Amino acid sequence: EDQVTQSPEALRLQEGESSSLNCSYTVSGLRGLFWYRQDPGKGPEFLFTLYSAGEEKEKERLKATLTKKESFLHITAPKPEDSATYLCAVQARSRLGGFKTIFGAGTRLFVKA
Amino acid sequence: EAGVAQSPRYKIIEKRQSVAFWCNPISGHATLYWYQQILGQGPKLLIQFQNNGVVDDSQLPKDRFSAERLKGVDSTLKIQPAKLEDSAVYLCASGGPGGRPYNEQFFGPGTRLTVL
Repeated sequence: EDQVTQSPEALRLQEGESSSLNCSYTVSGLRGLFWYRQDPGKGPEFLFTLYSAGEEKEKERLKATLTKKESFLHITAPKPEDSATYLCAVQARSRLGGFKTIFGAGTRLFVKA
Repeated sequence: EAGVAQSPRYKIIEKRQSVAFWCNPISGHATLYWYQQILGQGPKLLIQFQNNGVVDDSQLPKDRFSAERLKGVDSTLKIQPAKLEDSAVYLCASGGPGGRPYNEQFFGPGTRLTVL
């Protein structure tokens, strides 16, 4: 069964304390892996797309990496405004012949000043 | 560029009543998605449209949920009749031009549904 698992469920950091969020996946026919940020009461906001193992993307304090079984979102020197839920999603081939999107449950990040 | 629009933003209904949600995607986006997000969980795909056609609706409870996309633009999602477990945020998203299936998705603000 296709599955996306994110860990930890919640992460509390002090401002400036770097860390990583994990997204492990079990899917057949991976087409792409996505990272989104979601603030309370809002829809997810796109951050990165990764297509193949070894690929890396960076944006400000965030860096996403991809292996054959998992992806990491590294946060360097976080600030309180980085506090949000970070969602990982994969797009894979569906049994119907098209493509389906599967989201993980997310990691809630809290950064304290 | 205008984002994905959804309405209403909030809706409270009694169980067994009907409800409909509306979505207007980003202009030119061929792919439209409806998701259900229960509190504390990630979004769950309900249905995906490519232009007018349905690409995937394998997780749509078809006995009570229906969706349509008229003329490949706006879309409505309907629940009839609603159950308590349908309480969630319903998110609409659209994907970029060209119809590439693994484009990033742009989300609307969602409709928060409470079923009493």
